Order: sequence, then C-alpha cells, then structure tokens
Amino acid sequence: EIVLTQSPATLSLSPGERATLSCRASQRVAGYLVWYQQKPGQAPRLLLDDASNRATGIPARFSGGGSGTDFTLTISSLEPEDFAVYYCQQRTSWPLTFGGGTKVEIK
Amino acid sequence: QVQLAESGGGVVRPGRSLRLSCAASGFIFSGYAMHWVRQAPGKGLEWVAVISSDGSNKYYADSMKGRFTVSRDNSKNTLYLEVNSLRAEDTAVYYCAKDPRYSAGTISPFYFDYWGQGTLVTVSS
Repeated sequence: EIVLTQSPATLSLSPGERATLSCRASQRVAGYLVWYQQKPGQAPRLLLDDASNRATGIPARFSGGGSGTDFTLTISSLEPEDFAVYYCQQRTSWPLTFGGGTKVEIK
Repeated sequence: QVQLAESGGGVVRPGRSLRLSCAASGFIFSGYAMHWVRQAPGKGLEWVAVISSDGSNKYYADSMKGRFTVSRDNSKNTLYLEVNSLRAEDTAVYYCAKDPRYSAGTISPFYFDYWGQGTLVTVSS
C-alpha cells in the first residue's frame, strides 16, 4: 500500500497570504496525485487531478506540482473560503489511499 | 446536475449488520464505477471499496475484506454497501463517490469527481 504523508498538519495563515502544502508518497506515483478540499460538515471537493489539472470551477489561485514522490499544492493568495482541510490521494495502485490532511486555518 | 444521496446510517449495536444506500441522479449511473469512502469522526478519509459500472468487478481495502460488500442496482440507480459484524471502529461518515470515467466492466485506480453528503454510522451499545 502506498502511504501518503502530508505536511504540515496545520498551517496558520492570514487572508492574502500564500499557502504551500506538501504531500510525500512512500513509492513513486508518477503524476497520479489528486487533491481535495473539505470544509467542516461537507463532503470533500475535487481540486486538482494528476498533480496539476484544476477541476471544473476551481479558481486559478490553486495550483499543483510535483512528480514521483513529492507534490505540492499552492494557494497563491488565500481567500476566506479557502480555510479548510486539504487531502491528497494517489491513483497509481489499489488500494486507493489518502494523506492525513493539512488544515489551513486563519491566523 | 450530478447528485448522490446516501441513506441508511444510524446508531447500531456492535455485531449487527447494516446496509447503506446511495441514490444517484443527473448522470448515466450504469456507465460509471462507484466508490465508498469513509471518515471517522475528526479523522481523515479512508477508501472502502469500488464497484465497476456493470457490477462485475469489485475491489476492497484490505481492512474491509470479508465484512463489507458493495453492490449496485442499475435499474434503480442505486449503490449499496453492506457491513456485517459492526465494530466500534466502523463508526464513521460513509460517502459514496463517482469515478469520472464512462467505462465498461473493467476498473482501474482513479479518483472521485462527485461525492454525496454522507451518512453517519455510529456503532455503540
């Protein structure tokens, strides 16, 4: 099973600041890394697929990069609605696995 | 628009069984693989199982094998998850989620483009 480790666990930032989230895989996943956003009481929402492709309706301030085992999600300038928990997921092999999440909170 | 609505959760005693349902609308249900993902209170996401569009292929997380059964009824646009011998550690919100690819009976690892709002299962005596 591919283990995904997200860091930091919590990121405390102010609106307008840049957020950089990390996801590291225990094995190479090529570019098959996906990012989701989850707000309290809501289901996760797809943000990026294949490391860097924004899903429909996702603003351009969200971007992703990386390959192999190291990936990043960047939010260029935090909006109030971006404070949430972010999860990465690999789609290279069964079982599908998620990282433990990074909470982006208001400083 | 795509809608997924889970039901069937509630408080269940340890050792009992439960069947969750996910009613789908807004897309050709019979053309898409479907997944179950769960989330324990205050914890992260855990993939449970997937079923192919025609129901012929299924995969489970290792920890779910044996007690969890995923099925679907394409005539009713409904996905199911049956859980037997429930344990306290099965307490979670259970989400159904859709694979974005229109496909036949084969399935391969992918991701989820739409999620339901989830149904809470609480296992407690």
